[in-house]
Amino acid sequence: EPEVTQTPSHQVTQMGQEVILRCVPISNHLYFYWYRQILGQKVEFLVSFYNNEISEKSEIFDDQFSVERPDGSNFTLKIRSTKLEDSAMYFCASTLSGGFAYEQYFGPGTRLTVT
Amino acid sequence: KQEVTQIPAALSVPEGENLVLNCSFTDSAIYNLQWFRQDPGKGLTSLLLIQSSQREQTSGRLNASLDKSSGRSTLYIAASQPGDSATYLCANTGRRALTFGSGTRLQVQP
Repeated sequence: EPEVTQTPSHQVTQMGQEVILRCVPISNHLYFYWYRQILGQKVEFLVSFYNNEISEKSEIFDDQFSVERPDGSNFTLKIRSTKLEDSAMYFCASTLSGGFAYEQYFGPGTRLTVT
Repeated sequence: KQEVTQIPAALSVPEGENLVLNCSFTDSAIYNLQWFRQDPGKGLTSLLLIQSSQREQTSGRLNASLDKSSGRSTLYIAASQPGDSATYLCANTGRRALTFGSGTRLQVQP
């Protein structure tokens, strides 16, 4: 069964460093998302991406965040200058089409630890 | 702003019991409601999706219902098993991407 994959599974970085989290969505899906979950808190929406541009973003997704689809398979989230409060699980998700009307499939997540 | 609440926050039941998890949301203008399972330290596994025009969906021992007028959804688990132990999250799509509840942590005792 097709699945969303994410790498790395765990990333440790120092405050102020740049990190890139990678995702490979399900191959025929068209909409891509990033969410995060701070330990003990709710899963929160960060950004949605369609047709090579951001379609929506939350208040969390400020100028230190960026997303990119560098090729036909990968979808990346970049954090330019990490802060301690960026430590969280980051989940990538994708849907077939139609935006929010379709089931979202999530990857296993990347645990980001900022020290 | 859409708010999603799940009750109870935690639940412990003996194996074999039928149980109901509750989810309520503040904005009735939803597109769909999705139930997920999350194992400790793991990702989110989609269990059921109910579109706004539907009232319920079933998959095996799971049945999810949706009542938009009252802003509620329930997840019914029949004949619970120890392998059902996990956190169950509901999420809906309103005018934005998925908004999640804080989850119900379920422990099924053998």
